[in-house]
Amino acid sequence: ILNVEQSPQSLHVQEGDSTNFTCSFPSSNFYALHWYRWETAKSPEALFVMTLNGDEKKKGRISATLNTKEGYSYLYIKGSQPEDSATYLCAFLPNYYGGSQGNLIFGKGTKLSVKP
Amino acid sequence: DARVTQTPRHKVTEMGQEVTMRCQPILGHNTVFWYRQTMMQGLELLAYFRNRAPLDDSGMPKDRFSAEMPDATLATLKIQPSEPRDSAVYFCASGLDRVREQYFGPGTRLTVT
Repeated sequence: ILNVEQSPQSLHVQEGDSTNFTCSFPSSNFYALHWYRWETAKSPEALFVMTLNGDEKKKGRISATLNTKEGYSYLYIKGSQPEDSATYLCAFLPNYYGGSQGNLIFGKGTKLSVKP
Repeated sequence: DARVTQTPRHKVTEMGQEVTMRCQPILGHNTVFWYRQTMMQGLELLAYFRNRAPLDDSGMPKDRFSAEMPDATLATLKIQPSEPRDSAVYFCASGLDRVREQYFGPGTRLTVT
């Protein structure tokens, strides 16, 4: 069974703090890693799709790195703002294996709260 | 601004009743996914279609759930008969392929009493 772990489960920071969290995934059969941002009472929105070891992606104050050899990805938020409060989900996409189509396997997310 | 739409947004029904949820994927997207959000499991995949063909429904309880894409603009998820443990938020998502980002609909919140 393929498992995606995210840590921490939740995080409370002050406005202006920089923060980061981790996504761990199987290092074998890697195809892609997705990051999504999920605000309360809304639906997940894609942040990044990463496919290459060493990939680094950036969108405004949010960036992500990828290490496929050791099976982890970091998400960084620089200078957190209250509007960054959301659950951040990562999802691992495995290669096709056996007869499976290899679909996204989601972690349970890191819930970030940013206090003004 | 292209979006995935889902209907209904909320559904309250009694145990044993049939429930049908509908999804309109973004035009041009050829992959459609149905997910269920639960407290315990987070987001779990129920079904996956590519070019309207069902490719993976291994996450779906087969005895009561069924998913179809009668045409490229409509995906349906049906539960018959519904049970209280089916209460959850059901999301539909679409994408250009299985690798690229998925675009999620607003979800259908189902309550089975």
